[in-house]
Amino acid sequence: EIVLTQSPGTLSLSPGERATLSCRASQSVDSTYLAWYQHKPGQAPRLLIYGASTRVIGIPDRFSGSGSGTDFTLTISRLEPEDFAVYYCQHYGSTGTFGQGTKVDIK
Amino acid sequence: EVQLMQSGAEVKKPGESLRISCQGSGYSFSRYWIAWVRQMPGKGLEWMGIIFPDDADTRYGPSFEGHVTISADKTISTAYLQWNSLKASDTATYYCARHRAGDLPDWGQGTLVTVSS
Repeated sequence: EIVLTQSPGTLSLSPGERATLSCRASQSVDSTYLAWYQHKPGQAPRLLIYGASTRVIGIPDRFSGSGSGTDFTLTISRLEPEDFAVYYCQHYGSTGTFGQGTKVDIK
Repeated sequence: EVQLMQSGAEVKKPGESLRISCQGSGYSFSRYWIAWVRQMPGKGLEWMGIIFPDDADTRYGPSFEGHVTISADKTISTAYLQWNSLKASDTATYYCARHRAGDLPDWGQGTLVTVSS
């Protein structure tokens, strides 16, 4: 079973700053099946990035994904007030799995 | 527009049974896998399992096999998540989501299940 480990657990930043979120897999994964989600309290999670780097239509271009093998990154180039949330990476292979999440909060 | 409509919040006692539902619309329900995802209070997202409504092929996450049952009725475009005997630790919000090619682009609104004596 693949384990996804996200770091840091919490990222405290100010609006306008750059956020870099890491997702490390316990073994090499097919990046086709690596996705990122944003989750806010009281709402359903929202798919941001799939295939490790493809942005969903309608997602602002300040969100970008990269990586391959075991190391993946979600970057938010300039944080907007609505970007403060929890972010999860997710992989689907023989089964699905989520990372434990990174909370981006306001400094 | 793809929509996944989940059943409402439930309050149950330990040992009781429960089935919650997720009705899809706006797409060919039987031809896309439906995933169930758990979020326990204050915790992260957990992949519970997935079902292909057309033939009921079901795959469970390792932590959930034997503890829940995932099913679907393609004639009414509805997937289900069922417990035979609830525990307090089943208290959580449960989401259904349409599975595409490894990712989950569309989600239900979530169903809060509270298990308390």
